[in-house]
Amino acid sequence: GENVEQHPSTLSVQEGDSAVIKCTYSDSASNYFPWYKQELGKRPQLIIDIRSNVGEKKDQRIAVTLNKTAKHFSLHITETQPEDSAVYFCAFMDTGRRALTFGSGTRLQVQP
Amino acid sequence: GAGVSQSPSNKVTEKGKDVELRCDPISGHTALYWYRQSLGQGLEFLIYFQGNSAPDKSGLPSDRFSAERTGGSVSTLTIQRTQQEDSAVYLCASSLDANQPQHFGDGTRLSIL
Repeated sequence: GENVEQHPSTLSVQEGDSAVIKCTYSDSASNYFPWYKQELGKRPQLIIDIRSNVGEKKDQRIAVTLNKTAKHFSLHITETQPEDSAVYFCAFMDTGRRALTFGSGTRLQVQP
Repeated sequence: GAGVSQSPSNKVTEKGKDVELRCDPISGHTALYWYRQSLGQGLEFLIYFQGNSAPDKSGLPSDRFSAERTGGSVSTLTIQRTQQEDSAVYLCASSLDANQPQHFGDGTRLSIL
């Protein structure tokens, strides 16, 4: 089946620094790539998504970049704050199943 | 309600019992998904419904798992003869249509003793 590799598995940064999480996917036909943030014991929340017709999308301190040729996409968080601490999951739309395939998650810790 | 609603929020049951989990999607959303999240892991796709069409069951881990969606709205996920490895959080998501942003419920935390 289709899969996605997500790195790093854990990331610790100082408040105010940037954080970058990278994913590599297998389904070359996929055209939808969301990112979810999950705080402990809470539901996954969609924070940003990108479709394959653009290479970059920004929303305040969060940005996502997509390289369809290399099948890579990345999440960039600037000026990190302690409330950004959570597990972040990348995902892509598996065109065969028409459901999301998720990465294994990155635990981000922002140190105050 | 405004979001995806799941019940119960927690379920503890003995090995071998059957369980039913319920999902009420966002009003107007035609696509509904079930995922499973084991402790500290990512989300694993289980099943997908689009409107009243036959579901995509390709992610169900065994024939003990089944799901239905009545009237294109509420869905129930049933696990028969539960095993300890079924312990996980079962998450439901809905979206306006396929390939649209999916919004998750709070999940049902299932514990099999």
